[in-house]
Amino acid sequence: EAQVTQNPRYLITVTGKKLTVTCSQNMNHEYMSWYRQDPGLGLRQIYYSMNVEVTDKGDVPEGYKVSRKEKRNFPLILESPSPNQTSLYFCASRFRGITEAFFGQGTRLTVV
Amino acid sequence: RKEVEQDPGPFNVPEGATVAFNCTYSNSASQSFFWYRQDCRKEPKLLMSVYSSGNEDGRFTAQLNRASQYISLLIRDSKLSDSATYLCVVNGVYSGGGADGLTFGKGTHLIIQP
Repeated sequence: EAQVTQNPRYLITVTGKKLTVTCSQNMNHEYMSWYRQDPGLGLRQIYYSMNVEVTDKGDVPEGYKVSRKEKRNFPLILESPSPNQTSLYFCASRFRGITEAFFGQGTRLTVV
Repeated sequence: RKEVEQDPGPFNVPEGATVAFNCTYSNSASQSFFWYRQDCRKEPKLLMSVYSSGNEDGRFTAQLNRASQYISLLIRDSKLSDSATYLCVVNGVYSGGGADGLTFGKGTHLIIQP
């Protein structure tokens, strides 16, 4: 089944404790992105990648890191999480060009 | 600046009614358009693409007006299960730095009432 898989689905952590949210897609998509969604603010792009080893900042990159060592994987790293990073996170992937995006099921992160 | 604007609602509509949403976009170079549906706390899922000539999928009809830079979604004979947030998504090629060309509206919240 074609899908984008995120893990974990739910995470509660403490301020400053490094964490990684994994994202994997099995559709051979070139593009992958991370978004956060907060009430009233919609989906905001954190980082995106157009191919292996090619990443760039989105609209809200501060406090996040990403890597794209393999085409299928695009992990999101929070080196030192803070409470303002409490949010619902989505990974998405799509083919290059003017195509629709496919989303993972989301990761609900709470930083206390 | 690239923008996609939607009325956030909520739209409270009785079951069986017809409801329409509009979405405007600012970049005339935008090349493809989509409507996504998002249920509460779940991932957005593609509802339908929007083609230049307009297109229909069952009770759903999407229209594109390039001259006025808006797209619309019409839902006929609304069902309780149509209650969700509908996201307008525009995909284009943007020059310069920034995101990868996929821009999301903030969504329109629809509530179908029995």
